[in-house]
Amino acid sequence: QKEVEQDPGPLSVPEGAIVSLNCTYSNSAFQYFMWYRQYSRKGPELLMYTYSSGNKEDGRFTAQVDKSSKYISLFIRDSQPSDSATYLCAMSFFLFSGGYNKLIFGAGTRLAVHP
Amino acid sequence: GAVVSQHPSWVICKSGTSVKIECRSLDFQATTMFWYRQFPKQSLMLMATSNEGSKATYEQGVEKDKFLINHASLTLSTLTVTSAHPEDSSFYICSASRGRGLAPDTQYFGPGTRLTVL
Repeated sequence: QKEVEQDPGPLSVPEGAIVSLNCTYSNSAFQYFMWYRQYSRKGPELLMYTYSSGNKEDGRFTAQVDKSSKYISLFIRDSQPSDSATYLCAMSFFLFSGGYNKLIFGAGTRLAVHP
Repeated sequence: GAVVSQHPSWVICKSGTSVKIECRSLDFQATTMFWYRQFPKQSLMLMATSNEGSKATYEQGVEKDKFLINHASLTLSTLTVTSAHPEDSSFYICSASRGRGLAPDTQYFGPGTRLTVL
């Protein structure tokens, strides 16, 4: 079983739709929960991150974490064609032996928003 | 925001040759740098982690003699793929961590290097 599971899609929605992206995980040691956006052949860009269960909102984006269910979501309201990209969930824990945050990524969900 | 660059952005090489990829933090000193590999339509997989002046720590299953990492300074890390083969063709992404903070926004990703081995 992978530590982080994410449906790769693709997901195709019309402009203006609400998009829901989800990930599940198995490691209870994860402390931070992130969403990255990655355009084709580019590095990932951090969109949002949360530390605890609950919701966090930033403009059209809402990140939701449910630690009891080991489930995280990203909602995109009023989706735009410019939102078309691959969305990667990621989770991290602090590796004391190395002194750094170790990130584990999901497979990424490809989203296409068509006009 | 902090900027991480990679060079080259795309490299094509013949099987058996070695390829060096550079990762630089342009406006901050990186306490730790990370190298990831991403195959098409797959996730980023951490290959190794390096701190300036010390040996890199490789993830399980990553051949340290094949993927040589040199972290020469607080702003530069290099990944050399030795004796590259077609199965090494992938997208290599570095990231750099500023400080020892726990929050994810202290880690910045480069734009990636696409390696094609013929």
